[in-house]
Amino acid sequence: DTGVSQNPRHKITKRGQNVTFRCDPISEHNRLYWYRQTLGQGPEFLTYFQNEAQLEKSRLLSDRFSAERPKGSFSTLEIQRTEQGDSAMYLCASSLFVGSYSGNTIYFGEGSWLTVV
Amino acid sequence: QKEVEQDPGPLSVPEGAIVSLNCTYSNSAFQYFMWYRQYSRKGPELLMYTYSSGNKEDGRFTAQVDKSSKYISLFIRDSQPSDSATYLCAMSGGYSNYQLIWGAGTKLIIKP
Repeated sequence: DTGVSQNPRHKITKRGQNVTFRCDPISEHNRLYWYRQTLGQGPEFLTYFQNEAQLEKSRLLSDRFSAERPKGSFSTLEIQRTEQGDSAMYLCASSLFVGSYSGNTIYFGEGSWLTVV
Repeated sequence: QKEVEQDPGPLSVPEGAIVSLNCTYSNSAFQYFMWYRQYSRKGPELLMYTYSSGNKEDGRFTAQVDKSSKYISLFIRDSQPSDSATYLCAMSGGYSNYQLIWGAGTKLIIKP
């Protein structure tokens, strides 16, 4: 079991630059989520996919953020024209949704740290 | 008032002690309750997952849910220095609800 894999683990970028993060979920999982977490807070939901379809996007998510999951496997999260307020840990998670209460536990990757200077 | 309240700590206890971590919540629709452990600069790791009220035990960890009081707890027996981490509670109203509502996390320190 390789778990949820994210890269890069750390990214420092200048304000105004674009950055892209990649996530490889647990192989049999059909749902993939992106969250953002800042120090002293729990993760904040950004968006999620079921297979290749993006089913929900947080209203708090700026249009500078875009996510894709082209073949229902790995996903990318791109942030355009980064701002200092984008500095955070970006977490990817996945789950196997089977339509029952026991089938939607969410497993997280180790996160990608973004620092915008 | 936040939907989920969790004391940020830090909570410092000696090795071997029983640790009690708690969250309170306001939304009576929550039915699924989770505890995650998060080490510094790492992603959250799922520890316990409980549906509705009751107790669930897994090794040194016991999760309790009291829906009548809107109160959940995580107990750690025989605490070890390796248990030092931030513990986050999370909950949702439905099994398909990906929008988990999180506590801010309690930082736990186990002193050798």
